[in-house]
Amino acid sequence: DAGVIQSPRHEVTEMGQEVTLRCKPISGHNSLFWYRQTMMRGLELLIYFNNNVPIDDSGMPEDRFSAKMPNASFSTLKIQPSEPRDSAVYFCASSSSGLALTDTQYFGPGTRLTVL
Amino acid sequence: GDSVTQMEGPVTLSEEAFLTINCTYTATGYPSLFWYVQYPGEGLQLLLKATKADDKGSNKGFEATYRKETTSFHLEKGSVQVSDSAVYFCALSDPGNNRLAFGKGNQVVVIP
Repeated sequence: DAGVIQSPRHEVTEMGQEVTLRCKPISGHNSLFWYRQTMMRGLELLIYFNNNVPIDDSGMPEDRFSAKMPNASFSTLKIQPSEPRDSAVYFCASSSSGLALTDTQYFGPGTRLTVL
Repeated sequence: GDSVTQMEGPVTLSEEAFLTINCTYTATGYPSLFWYVQYPGEGLQLLLKATKADDKGSNKGFEATYRKETTSFHLEKGSVQVSDSAVYFCALSDPGNNRLAFGKGNQVVVIP
């Protein structure tokens, strides 16, 4: 299996622009997670989906952030408009667990976002 | 709410030294506990896990025991190698409230 695939690997954009991050989970996994990692705040869970349905989005920082999962093999995280404080590494992860979240998560390589 | 606390600061040690990284947790239910490792430029990957009290997770020479009485899940390795240099994250998942929590991570640097 190819593992979790994220694109782009690096993104540099200017403040105010829209940014879209993409994720393809491992085939057969039914849970998908979006994380943000910064030096200051560490690793933060933003949102997770189970069977394409958003289950918990309490970690989404504000209305500028939105996430979708139109089908079992694709998810997007969108920031509009972007701000310099959004600069971070964004990870996508998937697992075969249900709502219990007790199974191993498999992480993608991450997208390093820089907002100037 | 559920949370994980890891010891502050990076850990620097010599090759073949003994490694301990402390992890304590707070949870309302009966969580599963994990250690994830992140090598430079990569995503996190599972190192080991334990799903109930007194379970011991082990992998690649690393071990951690789920201690309910002290709410701890300390990571240990008897003899580290340069290739163990990475960031290590302690995490818990609490099925009772569908919450995941990660610690802030510890940078481990092993010097030849």
